[in-house]
Amino acid sequence: DSGVTQTPKHLITATGQRVTLRCSPRSGDLSVYWYQQSLDQGLQFLIQYYNGEERAKGNILERFSAQQFPDLHSELNLSSLELGDSALYFCASSPRFQADSGNTIYFGEGSWLTVV
Amino acid sequence: DQQVKQNSPSLSVQEGRISILNCDYTNSMFDYFLWYKKYPAEGPTFLISISSIKDKNEDGRFTVFLNKSAKHLSLHIVPSQPGDSAVYFCAAIVITGTASKLTFGTGTRLQVTL
Repeated sequence: DSGVTQTPKHLITATGQRVTLRCSPRSGDLSVYWYQQSLDQGLQFLIQYYNGEERAKGNILERFSAQQFPDLHSELNLSSLELGDSALYFCASSPRFQADSGNTIYFGEGSWLTVV
Repeated sequence: DQQVKQNSPSLSVQEGRISILNCDYTNSMFDYFLWYKKYPAEGPTFLISISSIKDKNEDGRFTVFLNKSAKHLSLHIVPSQPGDSAVYFCAAIVITGTASKLTFGTGTRLQVTL
């Protein structure tokens, strides 16, 4: 158990719909990361938040948005869903204090999204 | 046991030249390899990744090469810019769907000089 909790674990929805994926980081972790793993593109970094603020943005579509709340949990919102959005969405968190060596980021179990 | 190793703690490169950062790993089960960049007092930010089934991935000035037989990967930055000066971490992940963990190397400090 990594300590990172993601809900829901599985979700099936129709094209054009909107879903929200939720992530609770490990206790004390301020950084939250979202990744998308699809069959054709592999692991893609989407976005990172640190203590409520967006810190880095990757290949995140405009139809997608995320936020980190004061209690440090994060939500990834996916709207106007398309078939190609079907993927496994990972959340990860990292320790509060970053050392210059030997960091570890812990991943949740992922949320399987199927768009039909 | 350090599964991901960066044997060079520091590297100095002149602006405009190529920067090559190296990383070795021991676990042949890794699914993905990632490079992160870190500025002082900030968390690591993602740069580029490569699947274990590929040998090269390119994104702008950054290219990652993977040599699975040698269990070695490298990050090339061309051309190097002063803003690239930071600590670079190599990382690897086994994606099992349950409690996957991203493991970092110890980092290489890159200094790009004018």
